[in-house]
Amino acid sequence: GENVEQHPSTLSVQEGDSAVIKCTYSDSASNYFPWYKQELGKRPQLIIDIRSNVGEKKDQRIAVTLNKTAKHFSLHITETQPEDSAVYFCAASTGAQKLVFGQGTRLTINP
Amino acid sequence: DAGVTQSPTHLIKTRGQQVTLRCSPISGHKSVSWYQQVLGQGPQFIFQYYEKEERGRGNFPDRFSARQFPNYSSELNVNALLLGDSALYLCASSLRTRAYEQYFGPGTRLTVT
Repeated sequence: GENVEQHPSTLSVQEGDSAVIKCTYSDSASNYFPWYKQELGKRPQLIIDIRSNVGEKKDQRIAVTLNKTAKHFSLHITETQPEDSAVYFCAASTGAQKLVFGQGTRLTINP
Repeated sequence: DAGVTQSPTHLIKTRGQQVTLRCSPISGHKSVSWYQQVLGQGPQFIFQYYEKEERGRGNFPDRFSARQFPNYSSELNVNALLLGDSALYLCASSLRTRAYEQYFGPGTRLTVT
């Protein structure tokens, strides 16, 4: 079945710097790739998603890139702020019913 | 506009007991999915229901069951609880049966002792 690997598991960056989180997926039929942000004790929040017919998508300080040939996708956060500190999850889906999640990345923004 | 709601927030049960968790989707959403999130891991898919029918099932034992009501709310039932069932149970709603744009509720924290 589908498997999603996420790296790194923890990431610490200085405020104002950029952060990059990478994921690889195993099922070449996957066509939908969302990213969720989960703050401590709160629900996963959908922050951005991309479909397989698009190579890159941006929303203010957040961008996601997709490389279908290599089967990997990445989340880029620029000009990081303290409120960006959270656990980030990538996920993949073939368009069927389920999302398959990565293991998560704990991002810490140091002031 | 209300988001996905879940009840109860927290629950403590003893091994062997049964539990029922509830979820109300975003207004207009007809699909509800259930996920289990063990501490330190990503959510794992349990079920999806759309228009009251089961449309997908993850790799969970038959002790787990669910249903969806005419108003699109849903219940997740777990029988014969094991210590390993301790987790955050998340409900997600979406417009259609596919996995696109799923929005999560706050979850129910289940502790089995």
